[in-house]
This record gives sequence, structure tokens and C-alpha cells, in this order.
Amino acid sequence: DGGITQSPKYLFRKEGQNVTLSCEQNLNHDAMYWYRQDPGQGLRLIYYSQIVNDFQKGDIAEGYSVSREKKESFPLTVTSAQKNPTAFYLCASSPLEAAKETQYFGPGTRLLVL
Amino acid sequence: SQQGEEDPQALSIQEGENATMNCSYKTSINNLQWYRQNSGRGLVHLILIRSNEREKHSGRLRVTLDTSKKSSSLLITASRAADTASYFCATHNAGNNRKLIWGLGTSLAVNP
Repeated sequence: DGGITQSPKYLFRKEGQNVTLSCEQNLNHDAMYWYRQDPGQGLRLIYYSQIVNDFQKGDIAEGYSVSREKKESFPLTVTSAQKNPTAFYLCASSPLEAAKETQYFGPGTRLLVL
Repeated sequence: SQQGEEDPQALSIQEGENATMNCSYKTSINNLQWYRQNSGRGLVHLILIRSNEREKHSGRLRVTLDTSKKSSSLLITASRAADTASYFCATHNAGNNRKLIWGLGTSLAVNP
């Protein structure tokens, strides 16, 4: 089956700890995105990548880091510098062709602070 | 930054009724998309309307776009309890930019 997977579904972070959220896609999409969603709010872009080994900051990149070593994978690390990490994190991917701007989403990871 | 603004923020209707949600945006767009999110899940793409289109249909969904007013509406006809979800609009802005700009969403509750 084609799609996007995110793991884990729930993640707990201790004070001062870095945690990494996984995102994998087998849709052969070039572009991948990470969003943060807080209760009652829309999506805010953290980072995005249009090609392997390249990525750009979104609107709220501080306290987060990413890598794009493979086309299929775009892991997000929530660092200890992110003081309010509790949120729902969504990964998405899309083709780069101009006519296809639809984004395909994974099921999300809920991050909680202990 | 959020550009789209959905209206209303929350909507509660009875099964069988129609639900209308509106989205306003601020800059020139290439297209506008509507997504659905069930509670605690990822978003699912519903429909895309391009800047040169005025109306589009997909099953029970009807989307309109008025670029002069920078607004769009999503109509769900003959609603069902399973339509209960949050609905988001997102715009792809004119220019060489791969980002979507997201609204805050409308929470729809369809009561049986």
C-alpha cells in the first residue's frame, strides 16, 4: 500500500531530552513537510524539503531540526531548546509538479512532556 | 503565517441538512484546497480548485471560488454523522513557492 507512515503514535519527552519523530513515504514524492498543530488551531509549518539533502525553515523552526538523507524519509528532531513541545505533529508529502499541489498526510504523532 | 480564515469556527447541524463553510484569504493564489481532519488523525485532501475555476463538484461536495472577493466556500449536501470532522482550507500562493498557507479550520458536528 502506498502512503505515509509516522511513528510513534505517542511520544513522551523528559525535560532536556531530544526526541526524534519518524516520517516515511513510499509515494515517490519529492517534497516533504513537517507541521505542528495545537488544540483548536490550524497547521503551522516547521520545516520542508523539496529534494534530498536540502530543506528550508518554515514559520516555527526554532527548537527543531530535520534531515533528508533519503527521498523516502524526513525525520524531525524536537530538541531541548523547544520549550513548549506538547502538540500534534503531522508529516506530509507532495509531488513537485506544478499541477499537483495536494499534500498527503501521515496519521500524526502526539508529543507529550513528562 | 496563517492566511486563510474559515468561517464559522464551529458548526452544528442535523443529519440530512447542508453544511456551508467559508474561507477567506489575502493574496493572489494558484489554487485553493479543502482538507478534512477527523479527531486525532491526519488530514485528508478533499478537493482542489484552481484560480481560473469558479465552481467544482465532487460527490456531495461543492466548492466555489471568488477571486475578486478572495473567498471560497465548501458546501456539504445531505450531511451524515460520518461527516463530523474539522475542515481546513489551504492556499497555494502565486509565485515559486511550494508551501501551502493554512486556515484555522471549521469544526463541523453532524448530529444523528
